[in-house]
Amino acid sequence: QLQLQESGSGLVKPSQTLSLTCAVSGGSISSGGYSWSWIRQPPGKGLEWIGYIYHSGSTYYNPSLKSRVTISVDRSKNQFSLKLSSVTAADTAVYYCARDRSGYDLSFDYWGQGTLVTVSS
Amino acid sequence: QSALTQPASVSGSPGQSITISCTGTSSDVGGYNYVSWYQQHPGKAPKLMIYEVSNRPSGVSNRFSGSKSGNTASLTISGLQAEDEADYYCSSYTSSSTRVFGTGTKVTVL
Repeated sequence: QLQLQESGSGLVKPSQTLSLTCAVSGGSISSGGYSWSWIRQPPGKGLEWIGYIYHSGSTYYNPSLKSRVTISVDRSKNQFSLKLSSVTAADTAVYYCARDRSGYDLSFDYWGQGTLVTVSS
Repeated sequence: QSALTQPASVSGSPGQSITISCTGTSSDVGGYNYVSWYQQHPGKAPKLMIYEVSNRPSGVSNRFSGSKSGNTASLTISGLQAEDEADYYCSSYTSSSTRVFGTGTKVTVL
């Protein structure tokens, strides 16, 4: 059974960079047919797709966040990461990592439990 | 990219059927059969309920069904049960190879 687990700083100061990692267990992050996504949810609000990285290393980002987002993968550790720069209070949210069935039906079938990141001085 | 439009809330009595709409454009919902639906209970991660407009993953009740007409996709829950009370989100592939979520719908079982 595939499992995803987010980790990283829960408190980030304004203008700094948010950094999160998603550890994948029960399967290989290099498996063909899948990409690895980050999705966030501000408190009391809806889901927002941030971006994903293909098993090949190609990345796609939400146009509204593209200038501040970097998603990377560490195959040796079977994990992928998110960096979001120049954060403001509007970036406060629960951040989820998820597997995207990009080579099949383009759905998110496995999700991490989510981690709350608060932007505050 | 703009979020797909869903009604803020839908309610029904136990045993009834309800339908949640998800309206996009020809660049997302209308252009591809890659619409999926997610159920989210408070404090929990979303759960995949429908993929490719109308397919149910293994383990999801057949009370959940999906369809699409033009730029609008729909999720129908039949035989509404108390456990169905949750937030529901649609998602679609877009012409830019990105993904977009709906605004979300709160389902209340009366």
